[in-house]
Amino acid sequence: SQELEQSPQSLIVQEGKNLTINCTSSKTLYGLYWYKQKYGEGLIFLMMLQKGGEEKSHEKITAKLDEKKQQSSLHITASQPSHAGIYLCGPRLVGGGSNYKLTFGKGTLLTVNP
Amino acid sequence: EAGVAQSPRYKIIEKRQSVAFWCNPISGHATLYWYQQILGQGPKLLIQFQNNGVVDDSQLPKDRFSAERLKGVDSTLKIQPAKLEDSAVYLCASSKSVLQETQYFGPGTRLLVL
Repeated sequence: SQELEQSPQSLIVQEGKNLTINCTSSKTLYGLYWYKQKYGEGLIFLMMLQKGGEEKSHEKITAKLDEKKQQSSLHITASQPSHAGIYLCGPRLVGGGSNYKLTFGKGTLLTVNP
Repeated sequence: EAGVAQSPRYKIIEKRQSVAFWCNPISGHATLYWYQQILGQGPKLLIQFQNNGVVDDSQLPKDRFSAERLKGVDSTLKIQPAKLEDSAVYLCASSKSVLQETQYFGPGTRLLVL
């Protein structure tokens, strides 16, 4: 199996600052999910991106899937302590067998200091 | 709407023992997934069910892991015999269909193999 690559592995920001997390695949993605996870809890769905060039926003979080569908970014504007947690990108398991060979990224640990 | 239920939440066993995890998906969700998340890594898909049929189990270690969803509702994942490297969080998720528009995760079962 092949893992989605996330960067950075961890991020510490001051409350109010903007930040970006990246997720890269060596293969074309047939869609991608962004999740948030807090320690000891399950994953919380944030957004799904399917089409190249697609961009979605929810509250202060925006995610994009690049035209070639091999990279996605998650951007948080004016971060708050409630944004703290682990952000994970994961493959959408449709569109052929190749996405089934992809595993989630290892996650980006976000700390927001008040 | 009740979320995805999993039990037990925690389990400690000795290596070579057997263990079983249970998952009850959201009512009406046809697709059910089992993931393994080792500490510091992203979730890895073990098996995906559509109703009571297996869609993909290519990453399930079939010599020791088995899973069933006999009536197309709740599911059981079993490990027999357990190894030290099976220590992980086992996450169950469900979605309305195999198109996987939104995937809902349970809180997970944390397994420690001694």
